[in-house]
Amino acid sequence: AQSVTQLDSHVSVSEGTPVLLRCNYSSSYSPSLFWYVQHPNKGLQLLLKYTSAATLVKGINGFEAEFKKSETSFHLTKPSAHMSDAAEYFCVVSGQSGGGADGLTFGKGTHLIIQP
Amino acid sequence: DGGITQSPKYLFRKEGQNVTLSCEQNLNHDAMYWYRQDPGQGLRLIYYSQIVNDFQKGDIAEGYSVSREKKESFPLTVTSAQKNPTAFYLCASNRGQGAYEQYFGPGTRLTVT
Repeated sequence: AQSVTQLDSHVSVSEGTPVLLRCNYSSSYSPSLFWYVQHPNKGLQLLLKYTSAATLVKGINGFEAEFKKSETSFHLTKPSAHMSDAAEYFCVVSGQSGGGADGLTFGKGTHLIIQP
Repeated sequence: DGGITQSPKYLFRKEGQNVTLSCEQNLNHDAMYWYRQDPGQGLRLIYYSQIVNDFQKGDIAEGYSVSREKKESFPLTVTSAQKNPTAFYLCASNRGQGAYEQYFGPGTRLTVT
């Protein structure tokens, strides 16, 4: 069984300040982890993914995430927030051995608000 | 450009009517998925298909049906048996086993009154 918990349903930061979106996971297998972003009334876009290579993963738009096995965490960060970063962010875990066809588990999402 | 298309973007139906949501991909992906999204609940898997002419129920399949007659197409029918069909529906695809990240379409917002 696997699960993912996004620790904050809403995060509000000022433009130009750092962003931290927190995600904890549990998985019976060596997990693959993803962060997706969703702008209002749009589909989900892949920001970055971890698949057992480097623990610090760089993604698009200046985002990065660090896989910490000892803490079962995969927090998403960005050094300086832009107004265009305002969106919903989903942490996703896939840990099913042998394939991910039905093994993706989504967090409930974190709504990122950027204050001008 | 390769991608996933969903149509229409907005759909309105009266209660008791079946409605079919379209999903097409030209990524040559084997696996396709349907999710339902409700506010504050993340995404929930309705159905998925790993290969043509085969599909499996997800976590919330009741009141929905699918078909996979072609690799590039995976339509979802919301039947009158679905008790609360108003939601945002997302279609996704990936290469199948061993390739976990999914690529998403733009979604269809269904409103049933």
